[in-house]
Amino acid sequence: EDQVTQSPEALRLQEGESSSLNCSYTVSGLRGLFWYRQDPGKGPEFLFTLYSAGEEKEKERLKATLTKKESFLHITAPKPEDSATYLCAVQANAGNNRKLIWGLGTSLAVNP
Amino acid sequence: GAGVSQSPSNKVTEKGKDVELRCDPISGHTALYWYRQSLGQGLEFLIYFQGNSAPDKSGLPSDRFSAERTGGSVSTLTIQRTEQRDSAMYRCASSLGPEVYETQYFGPGTRLLVL
Repeated sequence: EDQVTQSPEALRLQEGESSSLNCSYTVSGLRGLFWYRQDPGKGPEFLFTLYSAGEEKEKERLKATLTKKESFLHITAPKPEDSATYLCAVQANAGNNRKLIWGLGTSLAVNP
Repeated sequence: GAGVSQSPSNKVTEKGKDVELRCDPISGHTALYWYRQSLGQGLEFLIYFQGNSAPDKSGLPSDRFSAERTGGSVSTLTIQRTEQRDSAMYRCASSLGPEVYETQYFGPGTRLLVL
């Protein structure tokens, strides 16, 4: 069964304290892995798509990496405005399937 | 242009009533997705539209749930004979096309409460 597990569930950092969020997945052929950010009361906001092991993408203080079993979202020198829930999702490579399987997210709080 | 819009933003209904939730995608987006997000649960895929057709309905939880899309634009998710377990945030997303590299843009959601 396709599955996504994110860890930790919650993370509290001091401003400037770098860390990483983990997304472990099992899927019958990966079409893509997605990272989204979700602020309270809002819909998820797209960050990155990764397609194959070894791929990396960066945006400001965020960098996403992908292996055959997991993805990491590295946050370098975070700021309070990076506080949000970070969601990971995968799409399996199967015919007409467009379904995204989502993790439960990591709730990140960055203290000033 | 404007982002994905959903209405109503909140809906309170009584058990057994039917409800309709509306999604207005970004203009020009051909793909549209419905998701359900319950407290403590991850986003759950319900249905995907490409144009007016729905190639993937695999996430609809029961035959009480249906969705349609007309004119390749607005979509309506209908829940018949609502039950308390249907209470959740219902989110809609759209993308330019159906391919994985097409970013899905999410609306603000409709919070449904079934009493």
